[in-house]
Amino acid sequence: GAGVSQSPSNKVTEKGKDVELRCDPISGHTALYWYRQRLGQGLEFLIYFQGNSAPDKSGLPSDRFSAERTGESVSTLTIQRTQQEDSAVYLCASSVTDRGLPGANVLTFGAGSRLTVL
Amino acid sequence: AQSVAQPEDQVNVAEGNPLTVKCTYSVSGNPYLFWYVQYPNRGLQFLLKYITGDNLVKGSYGFEAEFNKSQTSFHLKKPSALVSDSALYFCAVRAITSGTYKYIFGTGTRLKVLA
Repeated sequence: GAGVSQSPSNKVTEKGKDVELRCDPISGHTALYWYRQRLGQGLEFLIYFQGNSAPDKSGLPSDRFSAERTGESVSTLTIQRTQQEDSAVYLCASSVTDRGLPGANVLTFGAGSRLTVL
Repeated sequence: AQSVAQPEDQVNVAEGNPLTVKCTYSVSGNPYLFWYVQYPNRGLQFLLKYITGDNLVKGSYGFEAEFNKSQTSFHLKKPSALVSDSALYFCAVRAITSGTYKYIFGTGTRLKVLA
């Protein structure tokens, strides 16, 4: 598609439930990042996918968080047994990394998925 | 540790006046530097980047930024602010940590342009 698409845009859930957030990157973008943005704060790196390489999961805050990506397409971020501190906007971004391509290394962000845990 | 600092939580400027939003970084090697803007309930939008070459880079909406290697800074500037520039601005650096590229973001600076 023309941009990075994220769904749902808004999710309200009860503490203890599992949630799944989806990111559809720009076609051809090999790199995909997930970030978390708590209210009034900066971006916190969660996970990075690059092509078929093993993902960099170093930013995942706990084992309740996991993410998958099939090839160079859709990614899902799953949060199990949600807690109130998980409430945040989850942002997905993608980019091309080939320096010869236009827009290389520039992250394009989706509009985010706002998660509220009651 | 590799990091980005935006020392001001908020910057207020009168419409028509020049604006500066500050950013300093700490990263090993040659940095790739970026500025993004975030409007309410929207994702981040790319403004400009520095990778190599001319220290003064021009970007979208009349913004520019100057790379200063000796001061490890990449301040965002605009000669004449508009009310519509009011938004949250993020500075970012691409760095290699543990063998992979990460984009490290500052905590953001809220710009308020007053009519």
